Amino acid sequence: GIQVEQSPPDLILQEGANSTLRCNFSDSVNNLQWFHQNPWGQLINLFYIPSGTKQNGRLSATTVATERYSLLYISSSQTTDSGVYFCAVPNSGGSNYKLTFGKGTLLTVNP
Amino acid sequence: ETGVTQSPTHLIKTRGQQVTLRCSSQSGHNTVSWYQQALGQGPQFIFQYYREEENGRGNFPPRFSGLQFPNYSSELNVNALELDDSALYLCASSHGDSSYEQYFGPGTRLTVT
Repeated sequence: GIQVEQSPPDLILQEGANSTLRCNFSDSVNNLQWFHQNPWGQLINLFYIPSGTKQNGRLSATTVATERYSLLYISSSQTTDSGVYFCAVPNSGGSNYKLTFGKGTLLTVNP
Repeated sequence: ETGVTQSPTHLIKTRGQQVTLRCSSQSGHNTVSWYQQALGQGPQFIFQYYREEENGRGNFPPRFSGLQFPNYSSELNVNALELDDSALYLCASSHGDSSYEQYFGPGTRLTVT
């Protein structure tokens, strides 16, 4: 099946700093999602971004499907941005998609 | 619009017992997927239901079974619980006919002792 690698595994920032999280995947995809998992375990949808660039406030994401990677940018980080960030891609075709997740990036934003 | 809900929030079971977890999909969604997340890992796909039929299964033994009801809510059943089944179980819903984007519920944390 498809392999998903995320980097870095851990990231510690001071409040106000910017960061870039990377997601590499081993096969072509037509669907990619970024999630933020809060301390209670809830996965929050950040972006659904099969290709191109999207922005939502301080967050933006870019997927270059032909080169098999996606980037998540966090600007002016806040303590509430802390948590684990996952990217996920589909593992098969068909009418719907079963997601394969990376191991995540643990982000800690200190005040 | 109601999001994905799961029950119960937490559960403690003894090895060998059986457990049923429940998920209500987001309004308008007809597809439910279940994932298991062990501590420190990304979620692992268990299976998916689309319009009440199983639509794919991950690498989990048959003692993990599921069901989807006509209202598209779903159950995950695990028989003969093992210690390694302790994990966060996540349910996700999507509209299988028009969008692949999956939305997750808050999860059920299962502890097997």
